[in-house]
Amino acid sequence: GNSVTQMEGPVTLSEEAFLTINCTYTATGYPSLFWYVQYPGEGLQLLLKATKADDKGSNKGFEATYRKETTSFHLEKGSVQVSDSAVYFCALISYTGANSKLTFGKGITLSVRP
Amino acid sequence: NAGVTQTPKFQVLKTGQSMTLQCAQDMNHEYMSWYRQDPGMGLRLIHYSVGAGITDQGEVPNGYNVSRSTTEDFPLRLLSAAPSQTSVYFCASSSYRTVWYFGPGTRLTVL
Repeated sequence: GNSVTQMEGPVTLSEEAFLTINCTYTATGYPSLFWYVQYPGEGLQLLLKATKADDKGSNKGFEATYRKETTSFHLEKGSVQVSDSAVYFCALISYTGANSKLTFGKGITLSVRP
Repeated sequence: NAGVTQTPKFQVLKTGQSMTLQCAQDMNHEYMSWYRQDPGMGLRLIHYSVGAGITDQGEVPNGYNVSRSTTEDFPLRLLSAAPSQTSVYFCASSSYRTVWYFGPGTRLTVL
């Protein structure tokens, strides 16, 4: 079946540091890939997505490139801020009959200190 | 638009009690789903609906029931609560099955 593997956390960085969060996936075909972010006390928000190989999703300074050859979708940001402290989930989507289902990684907590 | 709303935000139940978690969306989305989030496990799909009157099971449906009488509402019922159902529950909706919008969640504790 489909699966998403994220690097182990938590991650603590200083403000303005470079961020990389690794994500790899196992799936049949080439699913669309997503990064969701969950700020403290809130639900999940879509951060960015990519629908095909070599696509780059970007939003709020975050980027991730869909790498078919390595089945990866690593999240990067050049300079993190305290406000980026949150839990980040990598996910892929699969279509089952009339519905679709998101398969999530375990999530990783990012803390950014001033 | 309020987006996806869920009530209550927090709930404590005793084993064996029943309750309904409410979910509503005002985006006229056909697709709605319920997920549960457990520590270190990501989110798992409980039940889903592809339109009013149509529901089906996800990967962890046991102990839960759903119905979809209107496009807007998709309540999740716990029939007889068990400690294993302690979790955070998220409702989500989508218009084209690609991008899903999540509610703020309900944190449920079963004693």
